[in-house]
Amino acid sequence: QQQVKQSPQSLIVQKGGISIINCAYENTAFDYFPWYQQFPGKGPALLIAIRPDVSEKKEGRFTISFNKSAKQFSLHIMDSQPGDSATYFCAARKAGSARQLTFGSGTQLTVLP
Amino acid sequence: GAGVSQSPSNKVTEKGKDVELRCDPISGHTALYWYRQSLGQGLEFLIYFQGNSAPDKSGLPSDRFSAERTGGSVSTLTIQRTQQEDSAVYLCASSITGTGLSGELFFGEGSRLTVL
Repeated sequence: QQQVKQSPQSLIVQKGGISIINCAYENTAFDYFPWYQQFPGKGPALLIAIRPDVSEKKEGRFTISFNKSAKQFSLHIMDSQPGDSATYFCAARKAGSARQLTFGSGTQLTVLP
Repeated sequence: GAGVSQSPSNKVTEKGKDVELRCDPISGHTALYWYRQSLGQGLEFLIYFQGNSAPDKSGLPSDRFSAERTGGSVSTLTIQRTQQEDSAVYLCASSITGTGLSGELFFGEGSRLTVL
């Protein structure tokens, strides 16, 4: 049972381009949506997160867009750089639940120089 | 150390053997999680510890898997009678508290298990 569906599985972008990764969820009880970034050989690290009371959150070149009615959220990386090449995971957590994050399947991003 | 520490970083074992993976969370973090990451897959929740409460073991895939957390700090994930499908990276994470506004998880670098 995949509660958070992530696409695409892999993405290749030219340096300076925009990278877009999409996630869709089913459970309307989710109230916290983080994105994690993972470099090879490292553990995932929190990149940016959003709550459903806002439609967009921006931190530097990274933006989360959130569409509550469609139950979708996406990560946009503006002016993508080779150093952004990593695997990105979206995730969701149920309100009042500390138990776990439900992760998407991941997107392997490659930014070409 | 400043981060979550896991050992061993790599473990190669033969099918049928038992393995133990260790996690040392960030000092002061009360919540500890184990996840499994298989090749090309997302992060699969295994087990969650919060303070002195009974652990949430709902993600453990079989009774061959077990975990302990001693003294509210170090945790050990044990896999008995390993199978080839157990091959994966086992990630440990900790957070300041299991609840709260962010509940940011801090992950270790993982233990890569290969079962021959």
